[in-house]
Amino acid sequence: DVKVTQSSRYLVKRTGEKVFLECVQDMDHENMFWYRQDPGLGLRLIYFSYDVKMKEKGDIPEGYSVSREKKERFSLILESASTNQTSMYLCASSGDIQYFGAGTRLSVL
Amino acid sequence: GDSVTQMEGPVTLSEEAFLTINCTYTATGYPSLFWYVQYPGEGLQLLLKATKADDKGSNKGFEATYRKETTSFHLEKGSVQVSDSAVYFCALSPWGYQKVTFGTGTKLQVIP
Repeated sequence: DVKVTQSSRYLVKRTGEKVFLECVQDMDHENMFWYRQDPGLGLRLIYFSYDVKMKEKGDIPEGYSVSREKKERFSLILESASTNQTSMYLCASSGDIQYFGAGTRLSVL
Repeated sequence: GDSVTQMEGPVTLSEEAFLTINCTYTATGYPSLFWYVQYPGEGLQLLLKATKADDKGSNKGFEATYRKETTSFHLEKGSVQVSDSAVYFCALSPWGYQKVTFGTGTKLQVIP
């Protein structure tokens, strides 16, 4: 069974903290994605990666960075968390279609 | 650039009612089209897809037909159930490319 696992379902962080969101897939997919989901805005692509150590900016990369040291793992990093980064974060990996994790709801206080 | 427009929600229906959620798209070439569903507290999962004009995707009683002439991919179900309550996302992906563009989502609530 296909599996994309996000390390945390809920996170609460303080403004200015460095935050790591982890995502692991077990399907040997080359492509992985990070989105944020906000009411009325749908899903917006932050970054994606099409191979180990490769990354491309999505539509809203400002304030974020990513790391892909191994094929199965794709990390999203908030260098200095701000309140406007409070959101639901969704990771996906894809072969012919995208498979999603359950999401991480991040609150930045 | 590519874009997807879907009807505003929320949509509230009684059980066994007919469902239509409208979706139109703008894209160059011949994209693949998708409907994803998000149940409360979960990530998105693929509901159905169509990869070329006039294809009909179907799953769990839901259907959508790829209409290139009207650039539409409307989601339909003949008789909804309470368990269909979820948020539905229309999406497209250019052929041969993995990046997906999503609509804003339509929340469906089915009441007994």
